[in-house]
Amino acid sequence: LAKTTQPISMDSYEGQEVNITCSHNNIATNDYITWYQQFPSQGPRFIIQGYKTKVTNEVASLFIPADRKSSTLSLPRVSLSDTAVYYCLGKGWTGGYNKLIFGAGTRLAVHP
Amino acid sequence: NAGVMQNPRHLVRRRGQEARLRCSPMKGHSHVYWYRQLPEEGLKFMVYLQKENIIDESGMPKERFSAEFPKEGPSILRIQQVVRGDSAAYFCASSADEGNEQYFGPGTRLTVT
Repeated sequence: LAKTTQPISMDSYEGQEVNITCSHNNIATNDYITWYQQFPSQGPRFIIQGYKTKVTNEVASLFIPADRKSSTLSLPRVSLSDTAVYYCLGKGWTGGYNKLIFGAGTRLAVHP
Repeated sequence: NAGVMQNPRHLVRRRGQEARLRCSPMKGHSHVYWYRQLPEEGLKFMVYLQKENIIDESGMPKERFSAEFPKEGPSILRIQQVVRGDSAAYFCASSADEGNEQYFGPGTRLTVT
């Protein structure tokens, strides 16, 4: 499964767009890129997933270039409630199931 | 539709005691995963179970830790003779099958004194 690298922390202000980039140089052909969000004292929550190009849902967009060695999570117009840890994961089929490998994540702090 | 339930939410044990953590998966889910999270770190996979079967326990410490998911009732993560290093948040996730998304519970925070 892909080992992912992402910034330890980021700061932003309300209303701004936030882009968090994740590197996954050794991503396997079958791996998907998955992002989770975790608030303090809560379990992670699925945000978005993609294989390549662009995926958009009501929460975020995910950009994956053709070489798939990196991906960027884009959060439009963040609010204070978006302050959380964001995890970029390589989700791959191994041992007969989809295994999630979490890294340290990016701590996003949104300021008023 | 209730989500993944974990109890207790907080558990305090003295060194040498046993800790039992319970996880009830979402309705209709028969796949359960346990993760451990130390402060300021990401989640570390421990074990993956289906009903009455352990599928992958590659992340479980070889001693003192065990997990089960019986035919009836919740999944149990059991830690015998706890030590201070076992203090962490333990999260359970469930999925409908091995390829579907994992939905996480609120976690159990274990403190060993």
